[in-house]
Amino acid sequence: ILNVEQSPQSLHVQEGDSTNFTCSFPSSNFYALHWYRWETAKSPEALFVMTLNGDEKKKGRISATLNTKEGYSYLYIKGSQPEDSATYLCAFRTGGGNKLTFGTGTQLKVEL
Amino acid sequence: EAGVAQSPRYKIIEKRQSVAFWCNPISGHATLYWYQQILGQGPKLLIQFQNNGVVDDSQLPKDRFSAERLKGVDSTLKIQPAKLEDSAVYLCASSPSGDYSYEQYFGPGTRLTVT
Repeated sequence: ILNVEQSPQSLHVQEGDSTNFTCSFPSSNFYALHWYRWETAKSPEALFVMTLNGDEKKKGRISATLNTKEGYSYLYIKGSQPEDSATYLCAFRTGGGNKLTFGTGTQLKVEL
Repeated sequence: EAGVAQSPRYKIIEKRQSVAFWCNPISGHATLYWYQQILGQGPKLLIQFQNNGVVDDSQLPKDRFSAERLKGVDSTLKIQPAKLEDSAVYLCASSPSGDYSYEQYFGPGTRLTVT
């Protein structure tokens, strides 16, 4: 059984704060690491797919890094806005298949 | 491009009743997935179809859950009879191909409450 862990479980920040979350995954048989944003009552939205050790991806104020040797990825949000409030999920994929194993998510609430 | 469609969006049933969910994937996507997301947990894959064939149903409780994708397009997931622990969000996702596609595209989910 693959174990994908995310921390913290939830986070409350003020508008304008920068924040980061962690996703830990098995370091063996790595194929890809996905980040999704899931707003309440909407579809989970793909943020990044990361495949190479040392990968860094950026989309607007959100960025992510990947360390496959030690089995972790960080997601950063710079200057949080209320519209960033959502659950952020990471999902791990092993070699040889398309099956995603999800973490439990980090629930972010950005307050004015 | 239209996204993954799911219906209904919400369903409340009593335990031991039956329920069915429908999913229409993105046009042309060969692979379709059903996930179950219980409150406080990450989404868990129930079943994966490649066209109309099952690729992985290892985590599908087959005594009460069934799924089909008869024409390789839309799909239904059924629970019969439902238990309290089936209360969850059921997500459908699709991707263009099987092993080598990087991205899965999700629908908005069906929130099931079993009372």
